[in-house]
Amino acid sequence: GENVEQHPSTLSVQEGDSAVIKCTYSDSASNYFPWYKQELGKGPQLIIDIRSNVGEKKDQRIAVTLNKTAKHFSLHITETQPEDSAVYFCAATSNPRYSTLTFGKGTMLLVSP
Amino acid sequence: DAGVTQSPTHLIKTRGQHVTLRCSPISGHKSVSWYQQVLGQGPQFIFQYYEKEERGRGNFPDRFSARQFPNYSSELNVNALLLGDSALYLCASSLEGQKGEKLFFGSGTQLSVL
Repeated sequence: GENVEQHPSTLSVQEGDSAVIKCTYSDSASNYFPWYKQELGKGPQLIIDIRSNVGEKKDQRIAVTLNKTAKHFSLHITETQPEDSAVYFCAATSNPRYSTLTFGKGTMLLVSP
Repeated sequence: DAGVTQSPTHLIKTRGQHVTLRCSPISGHKSVSWYQQVLGQGPQFIFQYYEKEERGRGNFPDRFSARQFPNYSSELNVNALLLGDSALYLCASSLEGQKGEKLFFGSGTQLSVL
């Protein structure tokens, strides 16, 4: 089955800096890669996603890049703000037909004012 | 519009008991999935349902079961609870549960087994 590795497990940055979280996946058939943000006491919130026919996608301060050859994808957050502090999860499709996702173990991002 | 709603938000049970968790998907979504999230880990897939039929099952024992109702809401049942079942149980909904669809999660039910 699919295996998703995520690094780093924790990331501390100063407000205004950029943050990068990296993930690798094992199944070359995976074609959908979402990123979720989870705040304390809440469920994961979809923040951005990318499909395998696209190399990069951007939404304001958040961008995701995908390298299918190397089987890795990354989340980039620019101009970080304290409210960006949360746990971020990457995921990849793990079923050939259905929407089942395999998640990474998460990255705790701490943005200090 | 309401997002995915789950009840209860918190639950405390003792070993050997049974628990039922409930989920209502986003209006218009016909597929519901259940995930278990242990502290410090990413969510792990348990079940997916579409139009009342089970489409997939993760690596969980038979003590875990689920069903989906005609109004697309769903229940997750866990029998003979073990300490290791303590976790956040998340429900997610999508339009039809097809590969590549966006998955939207509820806030979860925090289950503590004592």
